[in-house]
Amino acid sequence: LAKTTQPISMDSYEGQEVNITCSHNNIATNDYITWYQQFPSQGPRFIIQGYKTKVTNEVASLFIPADRKSSTLSLPRVSLSDTAVYYCLVGGNTGFQKLVFGTGTRLLVSP
Amino acid sequence: DAGVTQSPTHLIKTRGQQVTLRCSPKSGHDTVSWYQQALGQGPQFIFQYYEEEERQRGNFPDRFSGHQFPNYSSELNVNALLLGDSALYLCASSSTITRGQGSYNEQFFGPGTRLTVL
Repeated sequence: LAKTTQPISMDSYEGQEVNITCSHNNIATNDYITWYQQFPSQGPRFIIQGYKTKVTNEVASLFIPADRKSSTLSLPRVSLSDTAVYYCLVGGNTGFQKLVFGTGTRLLVSP
Repeated sequence: DAGVTQSPTHLIKTRGQQVTLRCSPKSGHDTVSWYQQALGQGPQFIFQYYEEEERQRGNFPDRFSGHQFPNYSSELNVNALLLGDSALYLCASSSTITRGQGSYNEQFFGPGTRLTVL
C-alpha cells in the first residue's frame, strides 16, 4: 500500500479555511484517496474520498492534481470543534480494504 | 441504527493475563476489522474477519486472535498481556457489497476499548 506524508501539526483560528496537504508519490492506478477525522478517545470518522480532480461534500473538499501524487483536504471556515487529528490514506475502496494509517495531522483551532 | 458498538469501554489488566474485547458491527455490515492504536499514533491493522474466518492479518503475534460469529459480531482475544499491549482497540465494520464506480465502501469505526496493562 502506498505510504503517505502529511504535516505533523497545523494551527488555525475560527472562521479560517484550512488546507492539509498529503503526499503519496507511489499511489497505484486503482488506489483511492481517503481522509478520516479522529477526536480524542474516539474512533476515526470518514470525511471524504476521491480518485481524481475535485470532490466536495457538506464537510470538506478534496483536491487531487492530475498526477495524483498529492492531495489537499480543504476545511472551509473551521470552528473549535474541528480540532482533531486528520489522516490521509490511499488504497482500494472495497469492504475488504485494510486501512493503513500514518501519524496524521493534528489540527488545533483557536478562538 | 446504533452504529458500531464495542465493549467494554475501559479495561485494566495485569501482565500475563488474557483479555477479550467485543464488537457489534453496524447493521447490514458483514466484515469486521480490528485495529490497535497506541497513544499518539495512528491505528494499526490487526486482522479482519469475514464469513467467520480471518481474511487478512497485520503484523501482530499469535497472542492476538479473534472470532466472528454468525450474526457478524466479533471478539478480539489477547493472551499473555504485555505492558506494550496498552492501547485503544478499535473495531471497524464494512460491507462487502460492491457499489458503483466512484462509490466508497466506508469503514465505520466504533468508539474503541481502552486497555491498560499494569
